[in-house]
Amino acid sequence: GESVGLHLPTLSVQEGDNSIINCAYSNSASDYFIWYKQESGKGPQFIIDIRSNMDKRQGQRVTVLLNKTVKHLSLQIAATQPGDSAVYFCAENIGAQSGGGADGLTFGKGTHLIIQP
Amino acid sequence: KAGVTQTPRYLIKTRGQQVTLSCSPISGHRSVSWYQQTPGQGLQFLFEYFSETQRNKGNFPGRFSGRQFSNSRSEMNVSTLELGDSALYLCASSLGTSGRFQETQYFGPGTRLLVL
Repeated sequence: GESVGLHLPTLSVQEGDNSIINCAYSNSASDYFIWYKQESGKGPQFIIDIRSNMDKRQGQRVTVLLNKTVKHLSLQIAATQPGDSAVYFCAENIGAQSGGGADGLTFGKGTHLIIQP
Repeated sequence: KAGVTQTPRYLIKTRGQQVTLSCSPISGHRSVSWYQQTPGQGLQFLFEYFSETQRNKGNFPGRFSGRQFSNSRSEMNVSTLELGDSALYLCASSLGTSGRFQETQYFGPGTRLLVL
């Protein structure tokens, strides 16, 4: 029978090309967004974050773009390398509860990035 | 600095049993959050502890509980295990300081629980 499970979108890119991974978030009240990378058998690894008062933020080989109008987030990876193969998750946070501090993150379904040699 | 550690890494239990998972946060971090990851539901927030108190909670039944100790280490307990509890359980730590903006959460490698 058909197996039931999470269908991850897959993005296949050539080594050395740029990768763009997209994410649509659900809550217009979200004001903090994070991208995580998860390799097989490991926990999510922080890549980059962005707050809602910004629309772009750059890190080492990565850029995150935030479009609040259409509730869209993207992660750009420059010069993709074999070590970039992983599942990429975007996560959003709807704002600190009274008193601030870390709240639960709401994660997207993830995109599986495959690097072709 | 050592990262977030979780023990055990793998666990097999049978339905009806209970299980306790442990998480040691990054030194200096006072907030510990727990997440469940399954192929069907993805990553879902369970709860967050700060200064030995549960500060935030996701939408999981009361069978899922946790606690935090004075050294910020945290444990998560699941009672009366069900087959659907099979998952990767992740904990994440952050500084937990108050303020308007959220903080980066750093994840451990997870505990993979299989319920038979």
